[in-house]
Amino acid sequence: QVNLVESGGGVVQPGRSLRLSCAASGFTFSRFGMHWVRQAPGKGLEWVAFVSYDGSNKYYGESVEGRFTISRDSPKNTVHLQMHNLTPDDTATYYCVRDIAAAGFYFDHWGQGSLVFVSS
Amino acid sequence: DIQMTQSPSSLSASSGDRVTITCRASQGIGNSVAWYQQKPGQIPKLLIFGASTLHSGVPSRFRGSGSGSEFTLTISGLQPEDVATYYCQNYNSAPPTFGQGTKVEIK
Repeated sequence: QVNLVESGGGVVQPGRSLRLSCAASGFTFSRFGMHWVRQAPGKGLEWVAFVSYDGSNKYYGESVEGRFTISRDSPKNTVHLQMHNLTPDDTATYYCVRDIAAAGFYFDHWGQGSLVFVSS
Repeated sequence: DIQMTQSPSSLSASSGDRVTITCRASQGIGNSVAWYQQKPGQIPKLLIFGASTLHSGVPSRFRGSGSGSEFTLTISGLQPEDVATYYCQNYNSAPPTFGQGTKVEIK
């Protein structure tokens, strides 16, 4: 069965950096695009970033463009989200999410999430 | 970016009732809409894609319809386990965008 496990969240001061990781298992990782979607406390869902099945294409939401970088390590079946210059508005649970296919841009499997709290 | 606007933002209905949630896109997106259910304290789950195709394992009381810029999610015969927030999502073009959510409660 598909399993997505996020790690790396925590409390961080404004302006600092943090790196989230997602360990994927139970499917052929190299065939699927992967995303990060976040949810601020008590709020709705916001798409953050996408990396294509082969890592060649990456897209970002406007609110994180230029500050966040998504990457994947296919031999290790992992996805990363490197976050720089964090602000309190980045406080959220970050979900690692599998694309329905290579680049369908909707999502059939979600991790349990990793909480990032940005505060001084 | 395409904006997705859901209505209502919340609703309360009795068990067995028929419930309808509407999602309007700021421009035509064909049938590139997905619906998700997020129960309290849980992760979102895919219910419907392609505006009307039920994802594997989703009960048949859930139905999606619409095309272009107006879409609906209907729950026929609301059950206590359907208490959740429901989100529509555009995937016609990047960036994918979500509606703000509709919270469904039982009276």
